[in-house]
Amino acid sequence: GQSLEQPSEVTAVEGAIVQINCTYQTSGFYGLSWYQQHDGGAPTFLSYNGLDGLEETGRFSSFLSRSDSYGYLLLQELQMKDSASYFCAVRGPVNNNAGNMLTFGGGTRLMVKP
Amino acid sequence: DAGVIQSPRHEVTEMGQEVTLRCKLISGHNSLFWYRQTMMRGLELLIYFNNNVPIDDSGMPEDRFSAKMPNASFSTLKIQPSEPRDSAVYFCASSSPRQLNTEAFFGQGTRLTVV
Repeated sequence: GQSLEQPSEVTAVEGAIVQINCTYQTSGFYGLSWYQQHDGGAPTFLSYNGLDGLEETGRFSSFLSRSDSYGYLLLQELQMKDSASYFCAVRGPVNNNAGNMLTFGGGTRLMVKP
Repeated sequence: DAGVIQSPRHEVTEMGQEVTLRCKLISGHNSLFWYRQTMMRGLELLIYFNNNVPIDDSGMPEDRFSAKMPNASFSTLKIQPSEPRDSAVYFCASSSPRQLNTEAFFGQGTRLTVV
């Protein structure tokens, strides 16, 4: 099966940098994704790491290390609108039928303060 | 495309009643996910379809829950009989078969309250 662990809450100030970690146990997976969800809204896709290393998209970056079963989401130049829940998710396991299955971690609630 | 469309957006029902949640996938997507979200349990995967076929339903809580895909663009999640502990936000999401890194697109969810 697939299980993912994230911190439940993180607090940071506007303009700062924050890192949200995700550790996982899987029976094989294609890649690690990150989603953002504002209160009352639906999860929306932020980034995907299929390979080890860093992926950068504007103020957001995501990292994956398969050997450490670990990934993180890095948010820079924090803005008040970044206050939301952030979820890591794995696609897998690796087989023909279930390769697209998407399993989420418990989510990290980020509070950005002035 | 209008995105993934769920209906109803809100549903309040009495314990014991049947509830049917509906989801229209994005055209061309072949993977369909039903999730349930609560404060206590987070985002739980209930069932996953690929090409209209249920691949993994291990997250379906019990026999009171059933899901179908009568065609490639539409799915239903039924709860019969409903119980207060079923109160949650139910999301469906779809994704494209073309790439494994393709994002999953979520509908706006159905907020279910069972009283």
